[in-house]
Amino acid sequence: DIQMTQSPSSLSASVGDRVTITCRASQGINDYLAWFQQKPGKAPKSLIYAVSSLQTGVPSRFSGSGSGTDFTLTISSLQPEDFATYYCQQYDSYPLTFGQGTKLEI
Amino acid sequence: QVQLVQSGPELKKPGASVKVSCKASGYTFTNYYIYWVRQAPGQGLEWLGLVNPSDGSTKYAQKFQGRVTMTRDTSTSTAYMELSSLKSEDTAVYFCSADLGQLSVLDHWGRGTLLTVSS
Repeated sequence: DIQMTQSPSSLSASVGDRVTITCRASQGINDYLAWFQQKPGKAPKSLIYAVSSLQTGVPSRFSGSGSGTDFTLTISSLQPEDFATYYCQQYDSYPLTFGQGTKLEI
Repeated sequence: QVQLVQSGPELKKPGASVKVSCKASGYTFTNYYIYWVRQAPGQGLEWLGLVNPSDGSTKYAQKFQGRVTMTRDTSTSTAYMELSSLKSEDTAVYFCSADLGQLSVLDHWGRGTLLTVSS
């Protein structure tokens, strides 16, 4: 199985900050990397797929980058609604696997 | 609009089985896989497997092989996930999801079904 490791596990930030979350795969995943946002009591929301492609309706302050085994999610200017937990996920091979999550707190 | 409507919360005893449903609407059910993901309290996301509504074929995570069965009913556009030999560690919210855009990109999700396993 491909292991996905996110860092940091939690992050404190303020409105307007630029934040970056890192995700590392245990082997190459051919850029089949997605990012999700999850708020308490809600289902995950798909933000980004194929490393850097934004889902429809996702604000442009979200961006993804990386290749090979190392990937990042960047939020350019944090908004109040962005405080949530973020997960990366590889879909290069089964089983689909997720990072352990990064909780973004005020 | 696309909707995945899941069945309600379940309370089961250890050793029992549970069957969770996921009714799809707003798209052609047989054209896209249904995936099942769970989340234990305060924990991360864990993939259980998928069912291909077109032919009923399945793929399961090794961890759940022999204990999980995923099926579908094309007449009602509903997917099912049955988990047997329940343990307390199976207490979690179970989500169904579909990849209506890119293959294996989970872009639509149900609201989740809380399963509590307790004696």
